[in-house]
Amino acid sequence: EVQLLESGGGLVQPGGSLRLSCAASGFTFSSYAMNWVRQAPGKGLEWVSVISGSGGGSTYHADSVKGRFTISRDNSKNTLYLQMNSLRAEDTAVYYCAKDRSNGLGYTFDIWGQGTMVTVSS
Amino acid sequence: AIRMTQSPSSFSASTGDRVTITCRASQGISSYLAWYQQKPGKAPELLIYAASTLQSGVPSRFSGSGSGTDFTLTISCLQSEDFATYYCQQYNTYPRTFGQGTKVEIK
Repeated sequence: EVQLLESGGGLVQPGGSLRLSCAASGFTFSSYAMNWVRQAPGKGLEWVSVISGSGGGSTYHADSVKGRFTISRDNSKNTLYLQMNSLRAEDTAVYYCAKDRSNGLGYTFDIWGQGTMVTVSS
Repeated sequence: AIRMTQSPSSFSASTGDRVTITCRASQGISSYLAWYQQKPGKAPELLIYAASTLQSGVPSRFSGSGSGTDFTLTISCLQSEDFATYYCQQYNTYPRTFGQGTKVEIK
């Protein structure tokens, strides 16, 4: 079964850091670009970041997180990461990892995790 | 960033109704548009990509059309499991952007 399982969310103070993980199974992880998409409470979806497949050499980030968040992957562990620094209250959201449907780079997202909640508050 | 605007933001409908949701891009995106369905407390699910291609496993009552800046999602015969929020998403340029969502509620 194709599955994504996020972890690492929690409560963090403004200015703090957190690293999210997403464990993948049931597909050839290294063959696909992977994304993070977030959703603030009661709000819509916001794409955050994408990283390319096998080499992970290409990444893009939303302007709202550029310079603060870093996406990475470890294909040997079938795991995607999101390092979040200098966190702000407006980063409070459910963070989903999502697999690219085809061999694009942040095209469309056919498999999603269940999400992990990040709360930034003092 | 390309702005995606959906209309309406919400509406009520009955099972069996034919419903249409519109998505407009602030600039042309060719056919690089996807539609997702999200139910409360759940992750989104991909319905349609390339504006009109049905994702595997999605019922044929869902259809999409459009290109350039104007797109539509149509549900031909609304079923009880279709009451949800729908999002469009462009993948023509970075950053990828979503519409604000359209909530379909039971009348």
